[in-house]
Amino acid sequence: SQTIHQWPATLVQPVGSPLSLECTVEGTSNPNLYWYRQAAGRGLQLLFYSVGIGQISSEVPQNLSASRPQDRQFILSSKKLLLSDSGFYLCAWSVMTGTQYFGPGTRLLVL
Amino acid sequence: GNSVTQMEGPVTLSEEAFLTINCTYTATGYPSLFWYVQYPGEGLQLLLKATKADDKGSNKGFEATYRKETTSFHLEKGSVQVSDSAVYFCALSDPFYNQGGKLIFGQGTELSVKP
Repeated sequence: SQTIHQWPATLVQPVGSPLSLECTVEGTSNPNLYWYRQAAGRGLQLLFYSVGIGQISSEVPQNLSASRPQDRQFILSSKKLLLSDSGFYLCAWSVMTGTQYFGPGTRLLVL
Repeated sequence: GNSVTQMEGPVTLSEEAFLTINCTYTATGYPSLFWYVQYPGEGLQLLLKATKADDKGSNKGFEATYRKETTSFHLEKGSVQVSDSAVYFCALSDPFYNQGGKLIFGQGTELSVKP
């Protein structure tokens, strides 16, 4: 069966510090991968998606970036965090059926 | 463009009450429709889905029917429990404009069930 992991689960970072969040998927090959941000505990904002290694599409211009160095690894990064980057970050995967499966999320607080 | 609209929350019900959360959509193709549930502090879980008109998705006592004529996918449950308290998201996947399998989400509806 397929599983998706995210770490860390919780992160507190100062403004201006770098960020690296990692997402890995097990039990499937060549998945589509997604990064979402959820602010104020509700709405989902798609940040990036990837259909293959090294292929990244950005949905919203911001100071975040994403990379996919391996088939089942998706990394969200920032060189300098802003207060507005605080939120709940969710990674998800899908195959051609369209159903997306979400990870447990990372809660980021920027102070 | 494609969009999903859900009823505003929060919705507060007593245990064993009937639940309806409205969801309507706009799509250019023939979308698949989904309901996801998010329990406090967790990621989203797929609750149910329907891939074509008149399909009924069901799971854990929840049901939703894909109504193409009214472009709706309302979520229902006959008798809610306290453990159903969560945020519910309606979503669509439109294969006509499906770039990378993206989902379009509604804004979410918070459900609170009181004992």
